Amino acid sequence: GQQLNQSPQSMFIQEGEDVSMNCTSSSIFNTWLWYKQDPGEGPVLLIALYKAGELTSNGRLTAQFGITRKDSFLNISASIPSDVGIYFCAGRRSTGTASKLTFGTGTRLQVTL
Amino acid sequence: GAVVSQHPSRVICKSGTSVKIECRSLDFQATTMFWYRQFPKQSLMLMATSNEGSKATYEQGVEKDKFLINHASLTLSTLTVTSAHPEDSSFYICSANGFSGTGLETQYFGPGTRLLVL
Repeated sequence: GQQLNQSPQSMFIQEGEDVSMNCTSSSIFNTWLWYKQDPGEGPVLLIALYKAGELTSNGRLTAQFGITRKDSFLNISASIPSDVGIYFCAGRRSTGTASKLTFGTGTRLQVTL
Repeated sequence: GAVVSQHPSRVICKSGTSVKIECRSLDFQATTMFWYRQFPKQSLMLMATSNEGSKATYEQGVEKDKFLINHASLTLSTLTVTSAHPEDSSFYICSANGFSGTGLETQYFGPGTRLLVL
């Protein structure tokens, strides 16, 4: 199935640094979601974006829905060790309870002290 | 946010046996649930959409006779892996669309079920 392109694939950063990752698609999505997955667990929703151009924050996390509706980025400020994990973007084309998600390839984040 | 649970969290079975995984929406009703499979170091791949009271919709390449889905109530969907083989070993995750605290619709995931077929 289709996957969204996420970059970078992985990153090692030092505690306190800011992190930026993005997600791109060749087609339009009407909703963008960002999830974090810890090893052996299901994805946990971080931020949901519903309008093109929307910029939303959740604590140290900020995400934006691209104007073209084909991309989104996630920023993490002042990273801490518990930010370690895999971050996935996901796009949804339609609304309604039966609407499916298309997932990105994931960005693996490792934070060193 | 909405809560989705899965049971069991991990299961080990012999090749040729069948395994049932349950997915429940705990504090909301879900007419639609989704089943994903995730192999190590890979992203989530949608297997099927589970519809309450009707047949599931399977993604291309997913065998419907091997992965039986039953969505008998608004809070429970089950995935049965029939005649499991070692290549079916994977992390199976379910999800459901619910509403956030702001009233906007989003998708919530269960904690996943680790299946190991020997």
